[in-house]
Amino acid sequence: ETGVTQSPTHLIKTRGQQVTLRCSSQSGHNTVSWYQQALGQGPQFIFQYYREEENGRGNFPPRFSGLQFPNYSSELNVNALELDDSALYLCASSLVGFDSPLHFGNGTRLTVT
Amino acid sequence: DAKTTQPNSMESNEEEPVHLPCNHSTISGTDYIHWYRQLPSQGPEYVIHGLTSNVNNRMASLAIAEDRKSSTLILHRATLRDAAVYYCIKKGGGADGLTFGKGTHLIIQP
Repeated sequence: ETGVTQSPTHLIKTRGQQVTLRCSSQSGHNTVSWYQQALGQGPQFIFQYYREEENGRGNFPPRFSGLQFPNYSSELNVNALELDDSALYLCASSLVGFDSPLHFGNGTRLTVT
Repeated sequence: DAKTTQPNSMESNEEEPVHLPCNHSTISGTDYIHWYRQLPSQGPEYVIHGLTSNVNNRMASLAIAEDRKSSTLILHRATLRDAAVYYCIKKGGGADGLTFGKGTHLIIQP
């Protein structure tokens, strides 16, 4: 079985720009979630998608948006980038259910200058 | 507060058992306890989870207190590859994701 893969691995953007990060879920998983991890901190939940609809969201503004596609790949879009958006962005896939383990990718390191 | 309480860091010797504690005094009856670990430059990795009974898998054991207000992750024989940040998370129903704290930075001495 293939694991969770994310692209690109590193990205540098300028403040005010927009960015799209991509994730390919583990085979058979129907739920995908995204997390932001600042340096030295634990990951913070951004949102979750199930059956191509957002069904859960953390404390992040609307300029953070996402898409989930029928093949369970997904995207995280961030508009109007701010310096504080510099972080590691992690994608995780799972089966639906709050006792289902999450399988994480190794993330995309975003630097905003 | 949805977070759990863990020591900032712990140190152990290679080939010895490691007991990583976690307090979750506000746990509700349907919350599961999940443990993840994160090695340097990698995403978090699932370790184990449980509800009420002690759990074992190939990576570790999870001992849950009778009142469920605390738990302990047990690595039976630590190796250098177990050096990581270990996160203890309580997870209830709903699509509200996992709430990570700062975790415990486990250092393994050769």
